[in-house]
This record gives sequence, structure tokens and C-alpha cells, in this order.
Amino acid sequence: DAGVIQSPRHEVTEMGQEVTLRCKPISGHNSLFWYRQTMMRGLELLIYFNNNVPIDDSGMPEDRFSAKMPNASFSTLKIQPSEPRDSAVYFCASSPTGLASEQFFGPGTRLTVL
Amino acid sequence: GEDVEQSLFLSVREGDSSVINCTYTDSSSTYLYWYKQEPGAGLQLLTYIFSNMDMKQDQRLTVLLNKKDKHLSLRIADTQTGDSAIYFCAEISGGSQGNLIFGKGTKLSVKP
Repeated sequence: DAGVIQSPRHEVTEMGQEVTLRCKPISGHNSLFWYRQTMMRGLELLIYFNNNVPIDDSGMPEDRFSAKMPNASFSTLKIQPSEPRDSAVYFCASSPTGLASEQFFGPGTRLTVL
Repeated sequence: GEDVEQSLFLSVREGDSSVINCTYTDSSSTYLYWYKQEPGAGLQLLTYIFSNMDMKQDQRLTVLLNKKDKHLSLRIADTQTGDSAIYFCAEISGGSQGNLIFGKGTKLSVKP
């Protein structure tokens, strides 16, 4: 298996632009997680899905952030409009059975908002 | 609320033992994890321990759990330069259906 796939690996954009991050979880995993990692705040859980349904989005910082999972093999995290403070590494992870099981992380997308 | 605390940095010499410490708050945590993040990569599960265990050993890794003090440690014997990474402690908060709460990570630097 190729593991969790994220694209793009790096994104540089200007303030105000829309940014879409993509994730393909491991086949057969039914839970998907989006995390954000910064030096100041460490690793933060933004949202997680179980069987394509958003279960907890309490970590989403504000309305500029939205996430979708239209099917079991694809998810997006969108930021519109983006701001410099959104600069971070965004990780997608999947797990076979949910929060209590091992999570497999993708390589991350490094986002820089100028 | 639930919280996981770790020191941010640790520096050791190659061949020495490294001990990374973590404290957590949720006494109902059933699993406690150590994840490793190498530069430019995502997190990978390194090891885990059930809450009814005091110790778990896996080759050069030893995990110690003190439930009374809610203290978890990861010991790496004979630390190598390849062990340089960020190590994250994580707990399951709120029972088995709860959230996985990560610490901020301890950056381990191994000097030759």
C-alpha cells in the first residue's frame, strides 16, 4: 500500500487566495483526520471523519476552514480566504477503526501564506 | 481540559540513553502512545502501552507508565544519530471513543 497520500507537498500562496489541500487515505480505513502543526501550537486536530461523515469539527479554527469527504478514498481541506497565520504543515491521517487505533499519517502539506 | 505535556528539547551524545518524559491528565486513558516524526515527514507510531501495564520493552525502547502520577516515559538505549527526530506522546481522552490528544513533541538531538 502507498500509505496516506497528500497533495500538494508544498503550497505557497498570497493572502486572500483560496487553498485546497487533498488527501487519499489508506484503502479500507474508515476514519480520516486532518491536523495542523505549527511551532507555537504543536499538533492540533482540526476535524475527523468516520465512514465519510464529519464527527467532530470543533478543532476547525474558524469559518474560513472547511473539510469534505465525498467518498471513502478522498478528502479535501479548504481555506478561503487564506491568511498568513494559516501558514503551517497540514497532516492527513487515517485509521482502520477510529480514534483509539493507530493512525497512519501522510507526509504533510507545507502551506505558506504570504 | 485534557492536556499532554512534554519538554520541547533533549540533547544527548551518541551511545548514551535518552529519556523523554510526558505527563497527561485523563486518568481514564486506555492507551498511551509514542509517535516519532522524522524531518519532513509525518508522524509514525513508535510504540504504545495499555493502561494496565507498568512497562513495555521493545528492543532499544522501554516505555514506563506511572498511572498514579499520570507520567509516561520513553527510554531509548544506545541512542544513535538516526534517532534524531521529534517524539510525540499521545493519550486517548474520553475513553476508547474519545480524542487522541498529542503533546507538542520533544525534539531529540543526538550529537556524535
